[in-house]
Formats: sequence, structure tokens, C-alpha cells
Amino acid sequence: AQSVTQLGSHVSVSEGALVLLRCNYSSSVPPYLFWYVQYPNQGLQLLLKYTSAATLVKGINGFEAEFKKSETSFHLTKPSAHMSDAAEYFCAVSPTGRRALTFGSGTRLQVQP
Amino acid sequence: KAGVTQTPRYLIKTRGQQVTLSCSPISGHRSVSWYQQTPGQGLQFLFEYFSETQRNKGNFPGRFSGRQFSNSRSEMNVSTLELGDSALYLCASSLAWEGYEQYFGPGTRLTVT
Repeated sequence: AQSVTQLGSHVSVSEGALVLLRCNYSSSVPPYLFWYVQYPNQGLQLLLKYTSAATLVKGINGFEAEFKKSETSFHLTKPSAHMSDAAEYFCAVSPTGRRALTFGSGTRLQVQP
Repeated sequence: KAGVTQTPRYLIKTRGQQVTLSCSPISGHRSVSWYQQTPGQGLQFLFEYFSETQRNKGNFPGRFSGRQFSNSRSEMNVSTLELGDSALYLCASSLAWEGYEQYFGPGTRLTVT
């Protein structure tokens, strides 16, 4: 069974600082990987996805993630945090051939002024 | 193009009752998935439909069921509600089968008293 581990349930950064949200997955074969963001009282918005085309994936709002097979990681980064980035972020994995997403437990990002 | 819509947005039910939630996917999308989000269990996959057929089911009791109509709209039903069914129920649609990202609706907040 596939699983996703997000290290750090809460991350706090200063406005303008680097954002790094960690995600590790377990899978016997390279899966599809996703990052979603959830603002309060809203659904999930897709930030970016990895589907084996390129290891460095660029997403919306200045976010990007790098797939590292050797480390089974898919960490999310943004060079400069903005107040509007404060939200909960979820890493998810989907095995090839199936659509069901397995989500990590989420990381709440707080951005300090 | 309109996003995924879910109705109702908020619902309060009594233990033992049943409830039906509705999801209208993005126009042209043929795949619909349902997820349950709770503070304790996080985001968990319920089931997914493609072309009116259930393709996959998560680890939930038989009280949880769903269906998809010919216009791709989907409904999920929960019978004999329990207090633990209180959650945000999220619907996601995607264009087709494997490899396509899922777009989430705002969710239906179900409270069971």
C-alpha cells in the first residue's frame, strides 16, 4: 500500500523567507505525486503535479517541487513567502492505473509579517 | 468554465438519519471521486466513478454508497448516520482516467448530532 508522510504539521516562516514543506512517499513504483493547498472553509486547489515527465515541477503561485526517486521525496518550495500563502498544504500520491489519492496528514503554513 | 459544485454546502442531521450529497463536475469531466475529511483521520478516499461505473472504493462501511449519472453528476449517500460521520465531504472531478489531475469542489460540511 502506498503512503505519504509530511514532516511537520506546522511550519512558520517570515514574509519573504524560503518556504520548504517536506513530503516523503512509499511506493514500489514511481507514482503520480501532487501538492494541494486548502484555505479555510474551502476545497483543495491543485498546486502542481509530477507524472514522470520532469523531476522539477513548477506550479502556480510561485511554488515548485522536485521529485527525488533516491530519497522518495517530493518537497514543496517557494523562494519568498507571501502572507497569502498561509494555508494548509497536502501532499498526495496516486498509483498508476488508479485514481484514488492517498493524502499526507497536511502541513499548516503560517506566514509572519 | 465553472468549477466543481457541491450541494448543499452545509447540512445538519440527526444520528440514525440518512443523507444524500450531490456533486456536479466540471463540464466535460467524466471521472468523479469522493473524499472524507476529518480532523482525526485527515483526507480519506471514499470511491470514484467513471462513465457511471464505480471503479474503486475506499475502506468505508457499506453505509456509504454512491452513484454517477449519465451526465457525470454524482451523488453519495450515507445511511444510518453516526456521530463519527461528521466531516467535510469533498468531491473531485477529472477529465478522464489515469494521469489527469483532480479538481476539487468546496465540499459539503455534514454535522451529525
